[in-house]
Amino acid sequence: GDSVTQMEGPVTLSEEAFLTINCTYTATGYPSLFWYVQYPGEGLQLLLKATKADDKGSNKGFEATYRKETTSFHLEKGSVQVSDSAVYFCAHLYSGAGSYQLTFGKGTKLSVIP
Amino acid sequence: NAGVTQTPKFQVLKTGQSMTLQCAQDMNHEYMSWYRQDPGMGLRLIHYSVGAGITDQGEVPNGYNVSRSTTEDFPLRLLSAAPSQTSVYFCASRQTALNTEAFFGQGTRLTVV
Repeated sequence: GDSVTQMEGPVTLSEEAFLTINCTYTATGYPSLFWYVQYPGEGLQLLLKATKADDKGSNKGFEATYRKETTSFHLEKGSVQVSDSAVYFCAHLYSGAGSYQLTFGKGTKLSVIP
Repeated sequence: NAGVTQTPKFQVLKTGQSMTLQCAQDMNHEYMSWYRQDPGMGLRLIHYSVGAGITDQGEVPNGYNVSRSTTEDFPLRLLSAAPSQTSVYFCASRQTALNTEAFFGQGTRLTVV
């Protein structure tokens, strides 16, 4: 069935390091793809999205490109900050049985140390 | 500018008790949903609603009921709490089922002892 798989954490990086969090999906058709971020004690909030192949979503220095050929949507940031410490969720929006469900990966916890 | 509001933030229940988790949104969104978040499991969909009077089951509906009598409110009822329902519960809404961005509440941390 349709699913999202992201790299397991936790990931610990030093400030200003390069970040990559891998995400791949399986889906029938062409889902919209998202990265959500959850800061400690809060709900999820949208970080970026891409709705069709080759689209690049970007926000707050984070980027991800919708790669149809590899069914991937990897999250990258060139220089992380302590304030980026959070749990990151990859997700897709697919159509099943006439309803559009948002399906999440298991989350990757990122800790950035000074 | 409330967005999605969940109450309570924390709750402890004894096995067999019932309770209702409240969720309200002030954005006139048609689509609302409930997820549970467990360590190593990500978010799993419990129930969802595409509009007032319409609800359906998600991935893990057993032990939970929902109703949607108004556009704004989407309460989640635990009928007879079990320790396996210890989790963090999130309510989310989006403008329609087709719209992309989901807005989340801050969560309810439920412990069943």
